[in-house]
Amino acid sequence: RKEVEQDPGPFNVPEGATVAFNCTYSNSASQSFFWYRQDCRKEPKLLMSVYSSGNEDGRFTAQLNRASQYISLLIRDSKLSDSATYLCVVNGPGSTLGRLYFGRGTQLTVWP
Amino acid sequence: ETGVTQSPTHLIKTRGQQVTLRCSSQSGHNTVSWYQQALGQGPQFIFQYYREEENGRGNFPPRFSGLQFPNYSSELNVNALELDDSALYLCASSSPLTGTSTDTQYFGPGTRLTVL
Repeated sequence: RKEVEQDPGPFNVPEGATVAFNCTYSNSASQSFFWYRQDCRKEPKLLMSVYSSGNEDGRFTAQLNRASQYISLLIRDSKLSDSATYLCVVNGPGSTLGRLYFGRGTQLTVWP
Repeated sequence: ETGVTQSPTHLIKTRGQQVTLRCSSQSGHNTVSWYQQALGQGPQFIFQYYREEENGRGNFPPRFSGLQFPNYSSELNVNALELDDSALYLCASSSPLTGTSTDTQYFGPGTRLTVL
């Protein structure tokens, strides 16, 4: 079983739409969670960390449900520039602390 | 920009050859992690170096090896290249207070390796 599972999409939405991505992680001892964004043929860049209480950064809202081992990302008022692959990332727990486990990414295309 | 640099940008090798990839970490960062990203997949952890010592390794064979230098830059070496080694190789630097904290990792632009 993979450490992080994500629906690869693709998601194709019009500008202004609200879109949500989800992922699940397998190790209940994991402590740190992130969403990274990756543009085509570029490196992943940190979009936001995910906290248990949920957190928001402008149009982006991240939620963590530890009981269900489920992480979500909500993008409101989608822009053309949001088109990218969104990677759900979990930091390894215990002896694997410091290594990041990535989902395969969810591809988003925002059209005009 | 993250301040993490990698070289070369692209590389083409043939099966059986050896390759060395290089990474310079962000100023002040003492930890470098290497990841392999195959097409259509998320990055997979190869190993991590903290203060010149290997500090964790993923599920990669011994022909994947690395080094970290006193200035915290790092190399990834792959021997006996196979076709499946074709991928984007990413390094990420961070500066945990210890060798095992959860500080943010900043990625370099990657080296795209093609094995023919």
